[in-house]
This record gives sequence, structure tokens and C-alpha cells, in this order.
Amino acid sequence: DQQVKQNSPSLSVQEGRISILNCDYTNSMFDYFLWYKKYPAEGPTFLISISSIKDKNEDGRFTVFLNKSAKHLSLHIVPSQPGDSAVYFCAASARFKNAGNMLTFGGGTRLMVKP
Amino acid sequence: EAQVTQNPRYLITVTGKKLTVTCSQNMNHEYMSWYRQDPGLGLRQIYYSMNVEVTDKGDVPEGYKVSRKEKRNFPLILESPSPNQTSLYFCASSPVDRPNEKLFFGSGTQLSVL
Repeated sequence: DQQVKQNSPSLSVQEGRISILNCDYTNSMFDYFLWYKKYPAEGPTFLISISSIKDKNEDGRFTVFLNKSAKHLSLHIVPSQPGDSAVYFCAASARFKNAGNMLTFGGGTRLMVKP
Repeated sequence: EAQVTQNPRYLITVTGKKLTVTCSQNMNHEYMSWYRQDPGLGLRQIYYSMNVEVTDKGDVPEGYKVSRKEKRNFPLILESPSPNQTSLYFCASSPVDRPNEKLFFGSGTQLSVL
């Protein structure tokens, strides 16, 4: 049973518009959440993170929102650019537990930004 | 340049033929880990290591072995590969105080087991 789910395998957005990528989790022990971005033929790269003590974290065009009661987080990209086209992975961690084995990834969402 | 290097990038093999995928990092990170990526399943952790000579199982360790004799290297060993191990593999590293907060990934190894 997947503890972190990204229910949209793909998303297509027009350049300049907002991209919203969603992620749901089931484990209430998760207290740290991350987004990774992956281009073809490359490894994932860290994009942005949020601690469970916050409900929003912003970094330039990227904002992550966390709704703990709904066990839901989302990544907003504004404005979207063609270079943002990639696969985005949501990940969650329960840092108080065994730190080596608690980064759980979602299945990924492929974002396509059309010029 | 700070990086995690995996080799080979592509590998086609046959069932039962032992193989090793190498991983090396030049950032002096204590923590290293192996993941496999499969469609719809995201990345799943195979094994991890918190430091030299310290390794532990991840979520999907069956059929894999690892060793950590040096800080910079963390090879993944498939003693008797099977077709269900066909996958895209990633090695990752990070400082030990934040092992799951900001991983640095290699470029991946696409393995096909026939």
C-alpha cells in the first residue's frame, strides 16, 4: 500500500499559467515533505521542502502548501515555463524514526509546459 | 564539481549472471542509498548506509547486496539477477545529519535482465 500518492500521472499546462501538482499521504507520522524534479536521463534533484510545522514554503516561482488535516500537499509553479517540463516526485519523511529508511516517494507526475 | 557517479548508465544482462553497479560520490557524505524507479511506483529504497561498514535494508532489499568499505563508494550487487529486477536504479548521498532531507542523486543505471 503506497503511503505517498500522486494521483495524476501527467499534467499539461500552457506557458505562463500556473501548474499545480498534488500529493496525498496516509502516514500521520510524516513530518517533513519534499519535492524532487527529474529530467530525462538525469537523476532527481531537490526542488523544495516543507516541515510539518509550516503550511507554506515559497522559493521563487515554486510554492509548496501543506494541509495536515487533509494529509495533502501541493506544489505550485507560477508562472510555468517550458523548462519546467519534467517528472515531479513528492516525498515524505518521518524524521524522528530511523532516519535512514523513511523517505517515501510518490509515483511521480509528468508536467508538460507548452510554449 | 560535486557529484554522484554511477556506472554503467545502461546494462543488458541475462538471468543469473552476477553484476555490480558502481556508485561513487565526491562530497564526503556519510549517508548513501540505492533506489529503484518503476512506472507508477516512484522510487523505492533498496539499501542504505549511514557510514563505512554500516548498511541496512530499505523497502525492497530482496535479491540485492551492498557493501561500504570506503566512504565514497557504495556498489550495488545482484548475485543472480532476475527479470523482475529490470528497472532504473539510482544511487544517492547526503550528509548524515540530514539523510532524508536533501539527497543528491546519480544519473541512473537502466538495467534490463533478459
